[in-house]
Amino acid sequence: AQKITQTQPGMFVQEKEAVTLDCTYDTSDQSYGLFWYKQPSSGEMIFLIYQGSYDEQNATEGRYSLNFQKARKSANLVISASQLGDSAMYFCAMRERADSGYSTLTFGKGTMLLVSP
Amino acid sequence: GAVVSQHPSWVICKSGTSVKIECRSLDFQATTMFWYRQFPKQSLMLMATSNEGSKATYEQGVEKDKFLINHASLTLSTLTVTSAHPEDSSFYICSASGFLVGQTSNQPQHFGDGTRLSIL
Repeated sequence: AQKITQTQPGMFVQEKEAVTLDCTYDTSDQSYGLFWYKQPSSGEMIFLIYQGSYDEQNATEGRYSLNFQKARKSANLVISASQLGDSAMYFCAMRERADSGYSTLTFGKGTMLLVSP
Repeated sequence: GAVVSQHPSWVICKSGTSVKIECRSLDFQATTMFWYRQFPKQSLMLMATSNEGSKATYEQGVEKDKFLINHASLTLSTLTVTSAHPEDSSFYICSASGFLVGQTSNQPQHFGDGTRLSIL
């Protein structure tokens, strides 16, 4: 079973509008972390926002906010006031402790966001 | 903030060549480093996890003899693709987690900029 599910292969949004990228996760751990990364066409992975499983408040970082609904196991990314430079691939990821004892990141399949003028 | 440097960013070489990719943490002690592989329009797939000074833990299906990982110091890990063939062509990206010098709090994973490997 997939641990991270991103159901939207692609999303379109107009500049200056808000957009929500969906992410659901599956884990039996009580302690875990949820991340969103942006990957432009150049390939680098850019960290956007982090939410810990025990954090009661939704994480916010500038125009990015994470809508964390623990009971539903969802961690949607909200980008407000979209900009042309936001066009990229977006990955949701979960960090949990593997059987080996290391903390590993598991990535979703990604959502391609295209922002139009 | 923490920076991870990956080198080279691009490699084009002939089939049968061995290729070494370096991943350096520039301002923190990377106790754990991760190597990922990404095919076009796909997600990152974890290949292996390594702790400084110990053998890497490989994910299922990843050939240990093909992808040699060395994590000899707290700031450097290398991935060597031995006798590379066209099917090894991919985007390889490393990440590191650890501690900022002088601090004890664990840092999230920071990624290098990746290496595009093309085997002709």
